[in-house]
This record gives sequence, C-alpha cells and structure tokens, in this order.
Amino acid sequence: QVQLVQSGAEVKKPGASVKVSCKASGYTFTSYYMHWVRQAPGQGLEWMGIINPSGGSTSYAQKFQGRVTMTRDTSTSTVYMELSSLRSEDTAVYYCARDWVAATLDPWGQGTLVTVSS
Amino acid sequence: QSVLTQPPSASGTPGQRVTISCSGSSSNIGSNTVNWYQQLPGTAPKLLIYSNNQRPSGVPDRFSGSKSGTSASLAISGLQSEDEADYYCAAWDDSLNAQEVFGGGTKLTVL
Repeated sequence: QVQLVQSGAEVKKPGASVKVSCKASGYTFTSYYMHWVRQAPGQGLEWMGIINPSGGSTSYAQKFQGRVTMTRDTSTSTVYMELSSLRSEDTAVYYCARDWVAATLDPWGQGTLVTVSS
Repeated sequence: QSVLTQPPSASGTPGQRVTISCSGSSSNIGSNTVNWYQQLPGTAPKLLIYSNNQRPSGVPDRFSGSKSGTSASLAISGLQSEDEADYYCAAWDDSLNAQEVFGGGTKLTVL
C-alpha cells in the first residue's frame, strides 16, 4: 500500500535549521509530486511548497522563499524539507503528502512535530 | 487569515444532515477543482472528497461535495459520532504566486 513515513520529532533553538525526511513506499516514487504542509498548534493547514521527485524541480510558497529547501533522493525514495532561521512561530507539525492527481493530496505522512524553543 | 473561507464550527445530532461551506475566488475555486480533507483528533489529514464531488474508495456515501462558481460545500448525512473532526477545503490557486490554498477549517461537533 502507498505509505509515507516521516522522521521523528525535533527540538531546535531559534536561528537553527531543521531537516525533515519523508520516505515513500508502495508506488513509483518519481511519478508523483510531493507537497509539504504545516500545521501550527491549534491552527489550520498551511502549504509550504512542492517538489518533483523526478527532476528535483521545486516551487515554494512566497512566505517561505529563501528559508525552505526541498530535495529528494531517488535511491531511497525519500524527500526532504529543510527550514532555516527557525523562530518560535515555526513550531508546528510538518506533513508531506503525495500529489495523487491535480493537487489532490493523498496520502499524507504521519507528521513530524518541530518545536522551536530557547 | 486563510485564502478560502469556512465557518469555524458546525454541529449536529446523530442522524442529522450538516453542510460546511467554503468560499474562494476566481483564481482558486473558480478555476480549479476543490478537495476536502478530514482530520480526526491527533491524526494527519485524510482525503475525503476530490475533484469537487468524488469519493475515494472507502469513504462512505454519507459524504458528498459540490461546487458552484467560487464556492463549494461538503454535506454529511446520517451524522455519526465518529464524524466529529476538523474539515478543510482546498484548491490550487492560479494567482501570481501559484500555490495550494486551504480553508481555515471547520470543527464539526456531534451533539
């Protein structure tokens, strides 16, 4: 079955960077784009960007441009999301989600909690 | 503030029918399909409705979606206690900064 498994929770200090991984299985990794979405505590969903695992091209939400980098490793069917210059407002659960068809996100990873605290 | 507008809360009793609205603009709902996601407490979102009104395999036919112009809605009939969750609408936005946009979410309470 199609599955996305993310890396574990992280605690970071303000100004640091975090890199979250998302390992895909059960389908052809390079055939589907991958999105990253975050959710702050008690808040709604916020789109961060998208990566094409085939060629590695990316598109980021304007809010995160300059701070986010999405990459992939086709040998391990894994995508990565790195967020730099962390601040307390970046405390959130970060999700990867496959673009099944026409920006339809399915399935989602289990989420990775990133806590930014001094 | 979310690009798509949803009511923050909705409620109903078991067996009732409830609807959740989602309002957007010509650059998102008006020109692209709408998806709905269900997020049960403490879990990741799950695709509930795609392409305005299609149900993925395994989603009960109690759930239905519709779209008209720049608005969409999710209807849940025969409400059950396990339907208590947060519901999010989403669509691709074709504006200058093309991106996926979400509604702020609607918390559904089953009384």
